Amino acid sequence: EIVLTQSPATLSLSPGERATLSCRASQSISNYLAWYQQKPGQAPRLLIYDASNRATGIPDRFSVSGSGADFTLIITSLEPEDFATYYCQQRSNWPYTFGQGTKLEIK
Amino acid sequence: QVQLVQSGAEMKKPGASVRVSCKASGYTFTDYTLQWVRQAPGQRPECMGWINTENGSTKNSQKFQGRVAFTRDTSANTVYMELSGLTSEDTAMYYCARMNPYYFDTWGQGTLVTVSS
Repeated sequence: EIVLTQSPATLSLSPGERATLSCRASQSISNYLAWYQQKPGQAPRLLIYDASNRATGIPDRFSVSGSGADFTLIITSLEPEDFATYYCQQRSNWPYTFGQGTKLEIK
Repeated sequence: QVQLVQSGAEMKKPGASVRVSCKASGYTFTDYTLQWVRQAPGQRPECMGWINTENGSTKNSQKFQGRVAFTRDTSANTVYMELSGLTSEDTAMYYCARMNPYYFDTWGQGTLVTVSS
């Protein structure tokens, strides 16, 4: 089973700042990675898939860099609605697995 | 609009079974595979398995081998997840999610399953 490790566990920033979230896989997963946003009491929401493709309706302040085993989600100029928990998910091998999440909180 | 609506919260005793339903609307039901994902409190989501809504084939994670079953009713645009041999470690929010084709682009609202004596 592929293990995804996210860092940091918590990130404290202010609106307007840039956020950088990391996801590292235990082996190469090519570009078979997605990112989800989850707010309290809600289901996860797909943001980006196959490493760099934004899902429908996702603003371009969300972008991803990396391939292989190291990926970074970048959120430029944070909006108030961006404060949430972010998960990465791989679909290279079954079972598909998620990282443990990064909580993005308001500083 | 595309929507997945799940059945309500369940409270079960250890050793019991639970069945959760997920009704799809707003798209052609048999065009997309549906995945079941669970999330224990404060934990990462965990993929349990999926069902091909067109032919009924299923695949589940080894972790749930022998304990989980996925079925569908195409006349009702509904899929079902049944989990048996419940323990307290099965207490979690259970989601169905549409696979498009490998990622989860639409999620149900979740069904809380609580296992307690």
